[in-house]
Amino acid sequence: LAKTTQPISMDSYEGQEVNITCSHNNIATNDYITWYQQFPSQGPRFIIQGYKTKVTNEVASLFIPADRKSSTLSLPRVSLSDTAVYYCLVGGNTGGFKTIFGAGTRLFVKA
Amino acid sequence: ETGVTQTPRHLVMGMTNKKSLKCEQHLGHNAMYWYKQSAKKPLELMFVYSLEERVENNSVPSRFSPECPNSSHLFLHLHTLQPEDSALYLCASSQDPGGADTQYFGPGTRLTVL
Repeated sequence: LAKTTQPISMDSYEGQEVNITCSHNNIATNDYITWYQQFPSQGPRFIIQGYKTKVTNEVASLFIPADRKSSTLSLPRVSLSDTAVYYCLVGGNTGGFKTIFGAGTRLFVKA
Repeated sequence: ETGVTQTPRHLVMGMTNKKSLKCEQHLGHNAMYWYKQSAKKPLELMFVYSLEERVENNSVPSRFSPECPNSSHLFLHLHTLQPEDSALYLCASSQDPGGADTQYFGPGTRLTVL
């Protein structure tokens, strides 16, 4: 399972775009990159998933360079309610199962 | 996510008590998970079940005993816990037990061991 590295914390202001980068140098060919959001005392919630290039949904965008050794979650125009912990996970559907949530990135959005 | 429910939401127990946490998923998924999250720590995967069979057990102490009677229900039986076991216990499910499958989490059970 590919290990991921993210910044421990980030601060932003309302209305700004926030980019959180995750490093996964030993990502495997069949691995996908998935991001989750977690609020205090709640379970994580799926945000977005991608394999390569760019994926966009109503909540965020995910940018994945050609070598796939990193990925960037982009949150457009954040609000106070986006204050949460964001986790990057890397994994595939072959070779057994393991999910390792790292420490995540604690995003704090200020007014 | 209303697709995964957990009961109770809060539980206080003594070290000699026996209690059980319950998880139910209404999504038709084949895989279910138990996670532990201590204060300001990452989620720790405890158990994974696929079609009612345990496929992962991450060196969890025997005082935690999982049970998966069918693909919709998952239990975590607790006995002779320690105060350091106080944490948020999260249940999740996914279509299949693969690392790329989206996991849907329940609201968690906040456990306090006195």
